[in-house]
Amino acid sequence: GENVEQHPSTLSVQEGDSAVIKCTYSDSASNYFPWYKQELGKRPQLIIDIRSNVGEKKDQRIAVTLNKTAKHFSLHITETQPEDSAVYFCAANTNSNTGKLIFGQGTTLQVKP
Amino acid sequence: DAGVIQSPRHEVTEMGQEVTLRCKPISGHNSLFWYRQTMMRGLELLIYFNNNVPIDDSGMPEDRFSAKMPNASFSTLKIQPSEPRDSAVYFCASSSQGGGSTGELFFGEGSRLTVL
Repeated sequence: GENVEQHPSTLSVQEGDSAVIKCTYSDSASNYFPWYKQELGKRPQLIIDIRSNVGEKKDQRIAVTLNKTAKHFSLHITETQPEDSAVYFCAANTNSNTGKLIFGQGTTLQVKP
Repeated sequence: DAGVIQSPRHEVTEMGQEVTLRCKPISGHNSLFWYRQTMMRGLELLIYFNNNVPIDDSGMPEDRFSAKMPNASFSTLKIQPSEPRDSAVYFCASSSQGGGSTGELFFGEGSRLTVL
């Protein structure tokens, strides 16, 4: 079955710096790769997603890149702010007909003011 | 829409007791998922339903866990008997799937279970 590996597990940056989180997946049939942000005590919420027909997608300060050949995708956050501090999860689908997602282990991002 | 609704938000019970968690998916969504979140194991998929039918329950830890979806607007996750190692946050999530394209997954607020 699908396996999603995420690195690093923790990341600390200064406010204004960039943050990059990387994920790899194992199932070559995966074609949907969302990223979720989970603030302390809250539910995970989608912040950006990418499908296999594109290599990059950007939404203001966040961007995601996808390399299907290498089976890896990355989240880039520029000009980080303290409110970006949270746990970030990557995921990959295994069955596009039912929406099953397998999540990475999560990255705890701390943005220091 | 109010989003995915879960109850209870918090449950504290004693080992051996039965626990029932409830979920109401977003109206119109045809896929429903139960995840368990712990510090050690992250977000684990326990079971998911498509059009009310269980598709994959390979993530269910053992026979003490069971899940049902009697109709499109309600699902339950039951643990009987509960054990301290079942303590976790249980999330229900739903999405709309069709045409071979995976849709956005929406999570409920979660049910925090503590088994003493």
